[in-house]
Amino acid sequence: GNSVTQMEGPVTLSEEAFLTINCTYTATGYPSLFWYVQYPGEGLQLLLKATKADDKGSNKGFEATYRKETTSFHLEKGSVQVSDSAVYFCALSDSSGTYKYIFGTGTRLKVLA
Amino acid sequence: EPEVTQTPSHQVTQMGQEVILRCVPISNHLYFYWYRQILGQKVEFLVSFYNNEISEKSEIFDDQFSVERPDGSNFTLKIRSTKLEDSAMYFCASSTSGGKSDTQYFGPGTRLTVL
Repeated sequence: GNSVTQMEGPVTLSEEAFLTINCTYTATGYPSLFWYVQYPGEGLQLLLKATKADDKGSNKGFEATYRKETTSFHLEKGSVQVSDSAVYFCALSDSSGTYKYIFGTGTRLKVLA
Repeated sequence: EPEVTQTPSHQVTQMGQEVILRCVPISNHLYFYWYRQILGQKVEFLVSFYNNEISEKSEIFDDQFSVERPDGSNFTLKIRSTKLEDSAMYFCASSTSGGKSDTQYFGPGTRLTVL
């Protein structure tokens, strides 16, 4: 079946450091790919998405490119801030059924001042 | 900006009791979902709902679970006889078209603790 694999956390970075959170997927067909963020005590918020190969999603300085050849959707940010501390979830829309989301395990990011 | 709301934020119950988790999806959305996240584990799909019917359910969603849209605004998840292993964060989500590229909007979650 379809699945998403994310790098294990936690990831601890200093402010202004470069961030990469790896995400790879296994899917039949051509799913859409998403990154969601969960700040402490809050729900899941869409950060960015890409709906076809080579699409780049971007928001709030974060970027991710849909790479069909490597089945990846890595999240990057050039300069993280303390306010970026959160849990980040990679997800795909499962085409076998009602396009439910399949999530990765989540990666906790902690940014130190 | 419209948002999905969920109540209560935290529910504590005894094993064997019934619980109802409530959600108010975004008003013009047509597709509704429940997901859950057991502490430290993945967010898992439970059920999708459209046009007053279950569209898809996972193997987790057994006879102890049911969903309902009792009026034009609420969407509920009922667990008839809770088990210890039902302790989790439950997220409601909604979307406009339910398509492959459609964004699902999530509520803040209800933390269910079964004692």
